[in-house]
Order: sequence, then C-alpha cells, then structure tokens
Amino acid sequence: DTAVSQTPKYLVTQMGNDKSIKCEQNLGHDTMYWYKQDSKKFLKIMFSYNNKELIINETVPNRFSPKSPDKAHLNLHINSLELGDSAVYFCASSQGRGYYYGYTFGSGTRLTVV
Amino acid sequence: GENVEQHPSTLSVQEGDSAVIKCTYSDSASNYFPWYKQELGKRPQLIIDIRSNVGEKKDQRIAVTLNKTAKHFSLHITETQPEDSAVYFCAATFSSGSARQLTFGSGTQLTVLP
Repeated sequence: DTAVSQTPKYLVTQMGNDKSIKCEQNLGHDTMYWYKQDSKKFLKIMFSYNNKELIINETVPNRFSPKSPDKAHLNLHINSLELGDSAVYFCASSQGRGYYYGYTFGSGTRLTVV
Repeated sequence: GENVEQHPSTLSVQEGDSAVIKCTYSDSASNYFPWYKQELGKRPQLIIDIRSNVGEKKDQRIAVTLNKTAKHFSLHITETQPEDSAVYFCAATFSSGSARQLTFGSGTQLTVLP
C-alpha cells in the first residue's frame, strides 16, 4: 500500500564503497526525484526524471548516477562514497512535471559513511 | 539564482497560541507554493498548498496567504497543539532549463509547549 517506497531505510558503509538506493512508486505519477537532506535539514534536489527522461540534473558529483528503468522506478547509485555523502536521501514523485502538484516523498534512506 | 528564504528558523509557542512562518521567493514566474511538515525521523508531508491565482487558502487550523507583488507567502497555524511540533518547509516552483522544480526553504522548527 505504500505510495513511494525506498530501500534500504538505513545504510552504513565504509568510505570508498559503492552503494545503491532503490525507489518505487505506485501512484501512477510521471515524475520522480531524488533529494538530499543534510544534517541541518536542508532539502536539496539532485535529479528528476519524467517518464524515464532525465529532466533535472543539479550540480552533483558524477559519483552519483541515477537510473530510471521505467516511470515507476528511480534508483540512485553512488560510487566511491565519501564522509560528506552522509545524509538522508529522499525519493519523491509527482503528477506531470511537478510544478502544479505537490510531491509525495518516500520514507528516506539514512546513509552513514564511516 | 533561485532562492526561497524562510523565517524564523526556530519558533516556540504555547499550546493554543498561533504560529506564523514566512517565506520569500525570487522568481516572479513561480506559480505554486506548497508547505510540508516533517516530524522527527519521518518523511516530509504536504499539508497545504496555494497556486498563484488565489491570495489565501484555509484548511481547518492551517491557512496560507500569498502576496505575489511582494513575492512572499506565509503559513498560519491557529490553536496550536503539541502534535503540531515539527519542522515546516515552504517551497516554490522555479525554472531549471526546460523543467520546473520545487525549491525548498531552509525549514522552521516549531515547538508547541504544553
């Protein structure tokens, strides 16, 4: 029944490792997003896909690579993890391209790099 | 660049009092302004939104006002209750290339004291 689901919920890993976070939505929305929330709670957009097409790609290190196999899924792969990557990563989805409708967020993935 | 400023960063009120959070935005083309509530350890959830063709919207104890000329909008919570304690985020739409996206304010930690 969960509208936007992310896995895993918690991820603890060592510096230099590669990890992935998966996101799926069952709302029939066209657009999906990745946001990063830092320790000060600031929400910053990283990527957005509309019907599998990358439409927003903010200034993010190229160690971060999103992939959308279909419009219901958006995954995030992170190479060579660094301490500064520690944050909560939220997936979200919206109808259309999101500028007239609110986002539905997933429950977040707390990434800790040690 | 695109910017949403939110004030105050922290707000404490007595139970039953009103709380007001204010945001300003920089893009005069912004036309959608949602507000999100994030409880500790949980996802941001949409609580109310307003589009640029109206100046005020109310839903029970919460209301949002929009002044497009001054480029600011506010969240008003009346008769506050302890369960209103959370971080509140405002957001506004901005152009990003051919897409539009939501940019979030920095958040307001609201504490309702019993």
